[in-house]
This record gives sequence, structure tokens and C-alpha cells, in this order.
Amino acid sequence: DAGITQSPRHKVTETGTPVTLRCHQTENHRYMYWYRQDPGHGLRLIHYSYGVKDTDKGEVSDGYSVSRSKTEDFLLTLESATSSQTSVYFCAISAKRTYNSPLHFGNGTRLTVT
Amino acid sequence: AQSVAQPEDQVNVAEGNPLTVKCTYSVSGNPYLFWYVQYPNRGLQFLLKYITGDNLVKGSYGFEAEFNKSQTSFHLKKPSALVSDSALYFCAVRDINGNNRLAFGKGNQVVVIP
Repeated sequence: DAGITQSPRHKVTETGTPVTLRCHQTENHRYMYWYRQDPGHGLRLIHYSYGVKDTDKGEVSDGYSVSRSKTEDFLLTLESATSSQTSVYFCAISAKRTYNSPLHFGNGTRLTVT
Repeated sequence: AQSVAQPEDQVNVAEGNPLTVKCTYSVSGNPYLFWYVQYPNRGLQFLLKYITGDNLVKGSYGFEAEFNKSQTSFHLKKPSALVSDSALYFCAVRDINGNNRLAFGKGNQVVVIP
């Protein structure tokens, strides 16, 4: 497995509280991504990063922010969690932005917002 | 925008029988196609990809996929299924003439019956 660690693995939080999920990689890959996985929707891109302090929005970015201050760490923040953000969140990395470069995924964070 | 359809929610197959997981795609230009597999409580793992060339692509764990441009399909196949192949399978497509976004299908649950 690629060296990707997501923390925490599980979290339960209340509506309206801030939540930060962490992705740490040891591969020195330039590109990092945050996806959410929901039944019937597959995986949807939230935000991605193409370098330190370089980030961009994905298809479901509302309610989420990200930061990347170091190559190895990519943080996903829910400023004020809502029940619709209950999901499994996956971090992914890739070495290149070329079209044929596959993604390598972490093991996910299961977030429940009550 | 690019999209992927995986028409079956679940595929049941007896151990030793051929396994097929269907995928059709929609892109405005030429597609780059991928298959990923997800085991319980794990992230997605890359299986194989089609970029150009031979329409039959071979990947990990004995899987292969056939690209059919006229039918816009990229079905995943395995000649003889194993119980350990029981997992969630995702098809994904990138549009090399578009925004480089990777669009995932909703996933197919494969159940291999001993």
C-alpha cells in the first residue's frame, strides 16, 4: 500500500461543530485529493491540491475547506458540520497530473454528524 | 462533463464461473478508463487502466477489461471468480480533452458464492 495515513479513522460529532480530517503521505507525491463516498453516488471530489499552498475546488466543495502547508499533509475542514456531511472521506495521492496516472487511496475516515 | 454508468448494483456469481462487471462511459473526447476495487473498510485499489492501444487490458489479480469504443463500454472480466474477489468495484473515466477530472461510477458489489 502507498504510504497514506488518514486520521482519525472514525469520528462522531454534533451538528454545528468544526471538524478537521488529516491526510499524511510518505510518498512525496505532489498531488493530493479529498473524496467523499456515499451509497449510490460513488466517489465525488471535494478539493484537491497540486502543491504546497496550491489547492482547488472539486465538484462538491461547498461547506469544506482545505489547507496544505507541507507536501506530506493535506487537511480537510468542515467549518460547521451538518448531517449531510455524514460520509466516508478518502484521501488520495498521485505522483503526476498526467491523465493516465492512477490514484492511490488511504483507508478512509468515517464521519458521523448527529 | 464526463460520466460513468455501472448499471447493476450487485453481481452474484458462483466460484469458478466467469465474472463480468459492466461499465459504460460518456466523454466529449478520448477517454482514459480505470477500474478500482474496494475491500471492506479499505480505500480503493487500482486494478487496471486503458489509455490507448490494445482494446484488451490486463491488470492485477487476474482481471482484464475490454475497451469498446463503438459501445462506449469498458467491462471488467475475470475468467474464473474466487471468493476473495467479493468486493466493491468502481469504474472511472477521465476526459483528456476536458478538465482532467476523474469521474467515478457508483460502484458494483460483487458477491462470489462458494
